Amino acid sequence: AQRVTQPEKLLSVFKGAPVELKCNYSYSGSPELFWYVQYSRQRLQLLLRHISRESIKGFTADLNKGETSFHLKKPFAQEEDSAMYYCALRGGAQKLVFGQGTRLTINP
Amino acid sequence: GAVVSQHPSRVICKSGTSVKIECRSLDFQATTMFWYRQFPKQSLMLMATSNEGSKATYEQGVEKDKFLINHASLTLSTLTVTSAHPEDSSFYICSATGQVPNQSGNTEAFFGQGTRLTVV
Repeated sequence: AQRVTQPEKLLSVFKGAPVELKCNYSYSGSPELFWYVQYSRQRLQLLLRHISRESIKGFTADLNKGETSFHLKKPFAQEEDSAMYYCALRGGAQKLVFGQGTRLTINP
Repeated sequence: GAVVSQHPSRVICKSGTSVKIECRSLDFQATTMFWYRQFPKQSLMLMATSNEGSKATYEQGVEKDKFLINHASLTLSTLTVTSAHPEDSSFYICSATGQVPNQSGNTEAFFGQGTRLTVV
């Protein structure tokens, strides 16, 4: 079975501080991991995926198979980063399973 | 990125009636579409996966006779909530995957804007 866990429902940091949103997964096969973001009153959109190994809007995420984690990080938070963040895993049958989400608030 | 359009964005219906929600991929052919349900302040729960021209695959605990899914073409999938009850009130979101023109690499999932269903 595919499972994604985001332990923090809410995360609040000050502008300029580092941010780390945690994500752990459970999957017996070889997973594809993603981070999706949902800004206020907007639809869900892809932020980044592990296979691309890219940095988007200053965010990075590294897949750690030993710890089954895919934490999202940004060294210096900006106010416009305030949003809902979902970690997702794509396994069999192209199914995308989401974690519970973390609401990130960046305080000025 | 590609565009997925969901319609309607909001609907209010009476108990016992049926409601149809449409999900369209506007600029690519969606080989697979997914339907999710999102409760307030909770995550997206996958309800079913549909491939064009075949029956949908429902997740455990989702009633297939209650939530009818049709994926008749590569650009349209519909979710019909039959004999709706107040407990069916929720936010329903579709997503579509497929090969987007001028975009190489792995297929990405694109999401509709969601439909807020209120059953009174």
